[in-house]
Amino acid sequence: GQQVMQIPQYQHVQEGEDFTTYCNSSTTLSNIQWYKQRPGGHPVFLIQLVKSGEVKKQKRLTFQFGEAKKNSSLHITATQTTDVGTYFCADATNKLIFGTGTLLAVQP
Amino acid sequence: NAGVTQTPKFQVLKTGQSMTLQCAQDMNHEYMSWYRQDPGMGLRLIHYSVGAGITDQGEVPNGYNVSRSTTEDFPLRLLSAAPSQTSVYFCASSRWTISYNSPLHFGNGTRLTVT
Repeated sequence: GQQVMQIPQYQHVQEGEDFTTYCNSSTTLSNIQWYKQRPGGHPVFLIQLVKSGEVKKQKRLTFQFGEAKKNSSLHITATQTTDVGTYFCADATNKLIFGTGTLLAVQP
Repeated sequence: NAGVTQTPKFQVLKTGQSMTLQCAQDMNHEYMSWYRQDPGMGLRLIHYSVGAGITDQGEVPNGYNVSRSTTEDFPLRLLSAAPSQTSVYFCASSRWTISYNSPLHFGNGTRLTVT
């Protein structure tokens, strides 16, 4: 079964609102990757987190890796319509196992 | 560079038919993998390979075969298609390190329908 769970499965926001998706594992992760898939497209790598408690930023996107390395989050500040898509985390500890994804819809 | 190229883009099969999904990459990546994507299920790993001559099973390998005779190519074979194999299939590649920490480069996908 799926080893990496993501919540929520779906989120609808108004443009300008913030958005957060969470990735949880029952086991300790060595590192975690985040991907974005636009509707009709293929997943595209965003970032990788390796260290416990690590925080990385890409413009309006903030990625965090939990202290216990069992969870991670992606936060988008002031969403834009270009943020629409599905966001996946992937456990890169042993092979690359993806979470179930969070579909973000942004209403202008 | 073309990156990761998948063919065909669309395919319709009848139950019991066989076919091969092609995947080729020109980045000299050691690691290649196949995923299937179904609504609400995310991306599930079917098979993967860390180099020519080496393959291994992923999360959902049943009904699929793979081989890796060259670094560039990693075809996925369906020997006897079933409706449950209707899905979007993605091939992906990366440099391989022992901790699987290289970013994956994905192909554009193959949309397969089995009737």
